[in-house]
Amino acid sequence: RKEVEQDPGPFNVPEGATVAFNCTYSNSASQSFFWYRQDCRKEPKLLMSVYSSGNEDGRFTAQLNRASQYISLLIRDSKLSDSATYLCVVNESGGQNFVFGPGTRLSVLP
Amino acid sequence: GAVVSQHPSWVICKSGTSVKIECRSLDFQATTMFWYRQFPKQSLMLMATSNEGSKATYEQGVEKDKFLINHASLTLSTLTVTSAHPEDSSFYICSATGTSDTQYFGPGTRLTVL
Repeated sequence: RKEVEQDPGPFNVPEGATVAFNCTYSNSASQSFFWYRQDCRKEPKLLMSVYSSGNEDGRFTAQLNRASQYISLLIRDSKLSDSATYLCVVNESGGQNFVFGPGTRLSVLP
Repeated sequence: GAVVSQHPSWVICKSGTSVKIECRSLDFQATTMFWYRQFPKQSLMLMATSNEGSKATYEQGVEKDKFLINHASLTLSTLTVTSAHPEDSSFYICSATGTSDTQYFGPGTRLTVL
């Protein structure tokens, strides 16, 4: 079983749609969680850190469920510019052990 | 937010030569830096983790004599690909963490070995 798993994707949605991604992790001792977006041939860019039950930033909402060991990312009113690969990253044990999910590709269509 | 730079952004070299990539944290002190490699349409693969002033910890399967990492200061880490071959062609990305556990990524270096 992989340590961090994500929805396989790709997700193709129309502009304005609401889309949700799920990420599950296997290490119950994981301390902190992050969502990054990565555009093609570019580096990952931090979208959101998730330390407690959730976090909201504009159209983006992340939720953490420690009991079920999953993190979700909700994007409302999706824009063409939201098209990217979304990476779920888990920091295990509060140290420097970051585990990346495989990513979920989103394409927002006009 | 924290800024991490990489240099060069792209490099083309002949097989057998060595290439050095620099990773700098511009506005914070990076206690830990990470080096990743990413092949087209694949996930990021962690190569090694380095803490300032100590030897890097390499992931399984990564040759430490081929990928030399130096983290001599709190703002600079270098990755040297020694005797590069075409199969080393990839997108190399560094990241850094400071006092928080948030990773900030450099813009990446695209290496092409002919």
